[in-house]
Amino acid sequence: DQQVKQNSPSLSVQEGRISILNCDYTNSMFDYFLWYKKYPAEGPTFLISISSIKDKNEDGRFTVFLNKSAKHLSLHIVPSQPGDSAVYFCAATETGTASKLTFGTGTRLQVTL
Amino acid sequence: KAGVTQTPRYLIKTRGQQVTLSCSPISGHRSVSWYQQTPGQGLQFLFEYFSETQRNKGNFPGRFSGRQFSNSRSEMNVSTLELGDSALYLCASSFLSGDLEQYFGPGTRLTVT
Repeated sequence: DQQVKQNSPSLSVQEGRISILNCDYTNSMFDYFLWYKKYPAEGPTFLISISSIKDKNEDGRFTVFLNKSAKHLSLHIVPSQPGDSAVYFCAATETGTASKLTFGTGTRLQVTL
Repeated sequence: KAGVTQTPRYLIKTRGQQVTLSCSPISGHRSVSWYQQTPGQGLQFLFEYFSETQRNKGNFPGRFSGRQFSNSRSEMNVSTLELGDSALYLCASSFLSGDLEQYFGPGTRLTVT
């Protein structure tokens, strides 16, 4: 049972345009959400997070939006750069077991010139 | 500051054998979590150790076990290997149990033949 879903396995975006990566979750107990980026042969690296008490969090070119009623979150990257090409994982957790992250299956983003 | 290190990076084993993977967390970090990454299931939480005690456990059979030493280094053991155990095993460390931001190592690629 996949509690965190990333329905788009891949996404291709032109350099300079907006990249939007989507994530859905089913477990209403999740109250903290994170995005990780992964390059080949490296472990995932933390990108940005959002608590369930917020609906938006920004960090430079990266913005995460949370829609609790729809159990949906999205990561916006503006403007997209070739170095953003990687696999992006959405993850969720519950307060109290915060180290236990539940990940989506990932979306491979390719930013083309 | 050195990152999370995992050894070995690559491993080939035969069905029925057992394997031990090692993870050294970032200096000062006391929590170590283990994840399994497969193409079909994405990243799945195995277990977390903090101060030599297992704090959280995922939904994996008892063939998967772990331990943590007093210097916070952790080992993961898989007994009676099955073909389906072929995966990338990632370890992540954080300062305390429950810290949301975890730092991942590069992983150990296990192939079971």
